[in-house]
Amino acid sequence: DAKTTQPNSMESNEEEPVHLPCNHSTISGTDYIHWYRQLPSQGPEYVIHGLTSNVNNRMASLAIAEDRKSSTLILHRATLRDAAVYYCILRSYSNSGYALNFGKGTSLLVTP
Amino acid sequence: NAGVTQTPKFQVLKTGQSMTLQCAQDMNHNSMYWYRQDPGMGLRLIYYSASEGTTDKGEVPNGYNVSRLNKREFSLRLESAAPSQTSVYFCASILTGTTTDTQYFGPGTRLTVL
Repeated sequence: DAKTTQPNSMESNEEEPVHLPCNHSTISGTDYIHWYRQLPSQGPEYVIHGLTSNVNNRMASLAIAEDRKSSTLILHRATLRDAAVYYCILRSYSNSGYALNFGKGTSLLVTP
Repeated sequence: NAGVTQTPKFQVLKTGQSMTLQCAQDMNHNSMYWYRQDPGMGLRLIYYSASEGTTDKGEVPNGYNVSRLNKREFSLRLESAAPSQTSVYFCASILTGTTTDTQYFGPGTRLTVL
C-alpha cells in the first residue's frame, strides 16, 4: 500500500486558518486521498476525500497537488473543538476491501 | 439512528480470561471492521467482514476471532486475553458500492488486560 507522511504535530491560534500537509509520493492513479480526524477519547470521524480535484465541504477544504504526490487539508478558521489528530489516508481497493491504513497522523493543537 | 454502537465501553480482564466485544450498526452497511489502537499509535486492522457471511484477517489477527452474526452485528472475541491486547478497540462500518465511501466508527471499547 502507498504510504503517507505527515508532520507529527502542528499548532495554530484560534480563528486562524490551518494548513495540514500530507506527502504521498507513491500514490497510484486509483488511490483516493481521505482525511479523518480523531478527537480525544473518540473514534475517528470522516473529514473529506478527493481523487484529483480540490474539494470543499462544510468541515474543510482539500487541496490536491497537480501531480497528486501531496495534498493539504485546510481548516479555514480553527476552533478549540478542532484540536485532534488528523490522519491522511490513501484508500485503495486492496484485499482488505475498503479498510483504511492509519499512520500516526498529525496532532493539531489549537490555542486561544 | 444510533450509527455504530459498541459494548462494553470499558473492560478489565485478567490474563487468560475470555470476552466478546459487541458491535452493531443501524445504517444497513455491507462491510464492518475491527481495529485496535495502542497508545500514541494509529489504528490497525484486526479483522473485517466485507459482507454478511464473510470474514477475513487484517494486519493483526492473532489472538482474536470474529463473527458476523447478521448484517447489523459484528463481534470480536478474545479467547485467552494477554497483556499485549490492552488497547482501545474500534468497530467501523461502510456502505460499499457508493461514491461516498465514508467509514463510520463507534466510540470504542477500552480494554485493559492485567
